[in-house]
Amino acid sequence: DAGVIQSPRHEVTEMGQEVTLRCKPISGHNSLFWYRQTMMRGLELLIYFNNNVPIDDSGMPEDRFSAKMPNASFSTLKIQPSEPRDSAVYFCASTTDRNTEAFFGQGTRLTVV
Amino acid sequence: RKEVEQDPGPFNVPEGATVAFNCTYSNSASQSFFWYRQDCRKEPKLLMSVYSSGNEDGRFTAQLNRASQYISLLIRDSKLSDSATYLCVVRVTGRRALTFGSGTRLQVQP
Repeated sequence: DAGVIQSPRHEVTEMGQEVTLRCKPISGHNSLFWYRQTMMRGLELLIYFNNNVPIDDSGMPEDRFSAKMPNASFSTLKIQPSEPRDSAVYFCASTTDRNTEAFFGQGTRLTVV
Repeated sequence: RKEVEQDPGPFNVPEGATVAFNCTYSNSASQSFFWYRQDCRKEPKLLMSVYSSGNEDGRFTAQLNRASQYISLLIRDSKLSDSATYLCVVRVTGRRALTFGSGTRLQVQP
């Protein structure tokens, strides 16, 4: 059974470029979360969706960040334009209404130079 | 002040030792509590849920003190494979999202 699938696993980009991170949640899971992890700030929630609808985006750092969930099996997190301080590991996780456990993807390691 | 606070460590212990991690949370509306484990350069994975009555899973014991807003994890007979970062995690009533502490790093040495 496939877990949460994220792509790409690694991304190196130049400052000012657009970056798109992708996530496929576990089939049947109706809640999806985007987290960012850095050494300084740990794991921070950026946004979460329930039934494809954004519920809480208060963690999105600024207007350069946007997230979409066009259907139950796909979500994107876009950064435009990217900056060096966006360098981090971005995790996607999913769960169900009845499940207390959130399952994480392997993450995308983003480096903005 | 962070919602979930942990001692970052690292805790360096010999194999076979008993080690305890503590965590405090600030939101009194917190409803569910967990410990997640994260290996180096990997994703976090659920280690165990924490119940009000305390719970045990093999060498791992988790306890919750709601009055003091405090959670603990005890690892007995530490193994080399226990080396990882342990994340204290809280879910607030009415929210699906989890709030993570910054993690406590454990290094078990031979």
